[in-house]
Amino acid sequence: QVQLQESGPGLVKASETLSLTCTVSGGSISTYYWSWIRQPPGKGLEWIGYIYYSGGTNYNPSLKSRVTISVDTSKNQFSLKLSSVTAADTAVYYCARENYDSSGSIDYWGQGTLVTVSS
Amino acid sequence: DIQLTQSPSFLSASVGDRVTITCRASQGISSYLAWYQQKPGKAPKLLIYTASTLQSGVPSRFSGSGSGTEFTLTISSLQPEDFATYYCQQLNSYPLTFGQGTKVEIK
Repeated sequence: QVQLQESGPGLVKASETLSLTCTVSGGSISTYYWSWIRQPPGKGLEWIGYIYYSGGTNYNPSLKSRVTISVDTSKNQFSLKLSSVTAADTAVYYCARENYDSSGSIDYWGQGTLVTVSS
Repeated sequence: DIQLTQSPSFLSASVGDRVTITCRASQGISSYLAWYQQKPGKAPKLLIYTASTLQSGVPSRFSGSGSGTEFTLTISSLQPEDFATYYCQQLNSYPLTFGQGTKVEIK
C-alpha cells in the first residue's frame, strides 16, 4: 500500500520561500507522476504541478514563476518550493500520486500539512 | 484553463435518498473526468475516473456518467458515511482543474 507523508515548516514569513518534502513509502517513486495540490482553508482544490522520476515537470501557469518541484529517487522523496509567499498561499498542501493508468486521476494522497504565511 | 462548474454547491438529503451532482466543463473533455470525496480534515478520496470507472474498493452505490461537457455523479442510496464534499476534476489537459465542490449535508 502506497503511503505519502508531507513534512516541513507549518509557518512561513511573507516574502520567504515555502519548502515541503513528501516521502513515499510502499512503492517506488520511479513510476507515475508525483504532484502537489493545495487547498486554502474552507476553499477548493488547486493543482500546483507534478514531477516525473526522471525530473520532468509540469507546473500550473498561475504559479509557474514561483514554483520548483524536485525529486530525490535515492530517498523516494519529492519536494516543493514556493517563493515570495503571501497570505494567499496559506493552505493545506497535499502531496499525491497521479496515476496515468487511470487517466491521470489522483489515487494516493498524503494527509496534508497546513502552511500558514505570517506577516 | 478548463473551468468546471458543479451544481448544486450545497444539498441537504436524507439517508436512503438518491443524490445526483452535476459537473459542467467549459470545453469538451471527452471522458477525462474524475470524482473525489472529501471529509473534514481529510485528504480527498478518489471515487471514479474516466467519468464512469469505479475506483477499487469504492461502494457500487456510487456511479458516474457523461462525456464531453456534462457529467454526473450519482449516489443511489445515501449512507451516513457519504455526508461529505464532492469534487470533480478534469484530466483532459494541464493544468488539471477542479470544480468548486458540492457539500452534501444531512437533512
